[in-house]
Amino acid sequence: LAKTTQPISMDSYEGQEVNITCSHNNIATNDYITWYQQFPSQGPRFIIQGYKTKVTNEVASLFIPADRKSSTLSLPRVSLSDTAVYYCLVGEDYGGSQGNLIFGKGTKLSVKP
Amino acid sequence: GAVVSQHPSRVICKSGTSVKIECRSLDFQATTMFWYRQFPKKSLMLMATSNEGSKATYEQGVEKDKFLINHASLTLSTLTVTSAHPEDSSFYICSARGRDRGPEKLFFGSGTQLSVL
Repeated sequence: LAKTTQPISMDSYEGQEVNITCSHNNIATNDYITWYQQFPSQGPRFIIQGYKTKVTNEVASLFIPADRKSSTLSLPRVSLSDTAVYYCLVGEDYGGSQGNLIFGKGTKLSVKP
Repeated sequence: GAVVSQHPSRVICKSGTSVKIECRSLDFQATTMFWYRQFPKKSLMLMATSNEGSKATYEQGVEKDKFLINHASLTLSTLTVTSAHPEDSSFYICSARGRDRGPEKLFFGSGTQLSVL
């Protein structure tokens, strides 16, 4: 079971790029890295998933170094509405054990005007 | 993306009553559903894993007689909080696993805020 470590909180200003790094030193060969966003009183929302190198979609990029022991979620030009808690999950592609579904503490991102 | 509908979004009940929360996958078959609870400013805690047609698997410390889970079909799972007490007040979230959905294979409901008076 790959444990994840993220910063508890981060502050940013509107228009800036925000990078949130997650450490997962004991990631397994079959594990993927997935990031979720959660607003207060709502369920988590999928942001991005990757296995290695770089993945980009319409909302974020995910950078994964060759050793895969960490990953960085990059949010370009954040706005106030990006204020939320961001969770990094590591596990098999949801085809395996319950361990995939254990949430860490997450990173509370606060975007200021 | 796929849709998971969770109802009710908010419920207030008296101590000693039972409350049922429904979780439905609207446009895909969910062979597995998961139930979490979340306290204010805390992370999600997995309570149980529910597979269609079989008994739920509960995490350590979660009372199965207190939190009854039924997964009767590929689109519906229910969580019943029996004889609710104020300490059961929490935010409950379900999620469902879909197949062949691309990178996103786990979909979450919008949550249910339970307040027990």
